[in-house]
Amino acid sequence: DIQMTQSPSTLSASVGDRVTITCRASQSISSWLAWYQQKAGKAPKVLIYKASSLHSGVPSRFSGSGSGTEFTLTISSLQPDDFATYYCQQYNSYSPTFGPGTKVDMK
Amino acid sequence: QVKLQESGPGLVKPSETLSLTCTVSGGSIRSYYWSWIRQSPGKALEWIGYIYYSATTNYNPSLKSRVTISLDTSKNQLFLNLTSVTAADTAVYYCAKNRNYLDWFDPWGPGTLVTVSS
Repeated sequence: DIQMTQSPSTLSASVGDRVTITCRASQSISSWLAWYQQKAGKAPKVLIYKASSLHSGVPSRFSGSGSGTEFTLTISSLQPDDFATYYCQQYNSYSPTFGPGTKVDMK
Repeated sequence: QVKLQESGPGLVKPSETLSLTCTVSGGSIRSYYWSWIRQSPGKALEWIGYIYYSATTNYNPSLKSRVTISLDTSKNQLFLNLTSVTAADTAVYYCAKNRNYLDWFDPWGPGTLVTVSS
């Protein structure tokens, strides 16, 4: 299996902050990476696919970058609705795997 | 717009079989791939497996010996069976759509909590 790691595990930030989350894969996954947002008690929602493509309806303050083994999700100006947990997911292998998550909470 | 809804028992006894149904509305199950994903309390997400309408399946190697995913195209439903469950199988179980066998998941159902306990 391809192992995914994320850093930090928790991030404390304020509204208006620029936030960056990093995801690393144990081997190259090209650009086959998605980012999800999950709020408490809800299912994850896709934000980004193919490392940098913004899913329909997702605000433009979200962006993704990277390829190979290192990827980032950036929120350019954190909004109140963005406090949530974020997961990366690789789909390069026949067994997709998720990162452990990064919780963005209020400073 | 495709919507998914999971259903099934919320409590299963250890060593028994967990059985869940996912009903797809707003689109035909005869397209795309359909996955089951679970999330143990406070933990990350784990892909369980997928099925294509042709009945082609692929399972997570760590669960493969205990998992069966099937579907009923006439009812637009997919099913999950997980045998010999233990407390470690307690989780919220989601069904989700993926456009291809190697893909991201969208949309997801709201999820259903299954607790394994005697």
